[in-house]
Amino acid sequence: GAGVSQSPSNKVTEKGKDVELRCDPISGHTALYWYRQSLGQGLEFLIYFQGNSAPDKSGLPSDRFSAERTGGSVSTLTIQRTQQEDSAVYLCASRLAGTSTDTQYFGPGTRLTVL
Amino acid sequence: RKEVEQDPGPFNVPEGATVAFNCTYSNSASQSFFWYRQDCRKEPKLLMSVYSSGNEDGRFTAQLNRASQYISLLIRDSKLSDSATYLCVVKGATTDSWGKLQFGAGTQVVVTP
Repeated sequence: GAGVSQSPSNKVTEKGKDVELRCDPISGHTALYWYRQSLGQGLEFLIYFQGNSAPDKSGLPSDRFSAERTGGSVSTLTIQRTQQEDSAVYLCASRLAGTSTDTQYFGPGTRLTVL
Repeated sequence: RKEVEQDPGPFNVPEGATVAFNCTYSNSASQSFFWYRQDCRKEPKLLMSVYSSGNEDGRFTAQLNRASQYISLLIRDSKLSDSATYLCVVKGATTDSWGKLQFGAGTQVVVTP
């Protein structure tokens, strides 16, 4: 079946511009995560959506970052006034909560380069 | 101290050999553990889940040592295709801990001919 998809796969932007990254989770998955991964580093948690609960935004590095999840499905991560340190791969993952197989499925990521 | 720590490696392994490496975690209440593999410039993919003392899947064996708070991954009969970065993921004990997964920075394994 279809996995997690993300778009765009690559994004090059100029410092100060806003960007929007999209994540389409696996159909029916109620949990959705955003992470970012800088070159050679581990995954940094950004935000977590679970069903209709208020999202856990504790990982967002600044107020320039925001995310929403419409209709419990597609999610958009928005970075305003991008900075060079925002350059990273942004990974989305989804999970079918409430099952015995607690597996996160990752999308291919969006590679963001801020010039 | 990081909540999940891994030796970054690289572990250079001759093809056919066995390699093992550990992941230590700081939260003694952690309940679930996972090993993901991540190929270069690719997304992480689940390799194994570890809920009790260990798990085995073919050439891969994961063991959990709660007393010393570490999990290990052992790869037997290494293949060239095993070359990747192996990420350790730790989940806490509370029901909302799915939002608090802790990722290690990964251990790089390079299998050589």
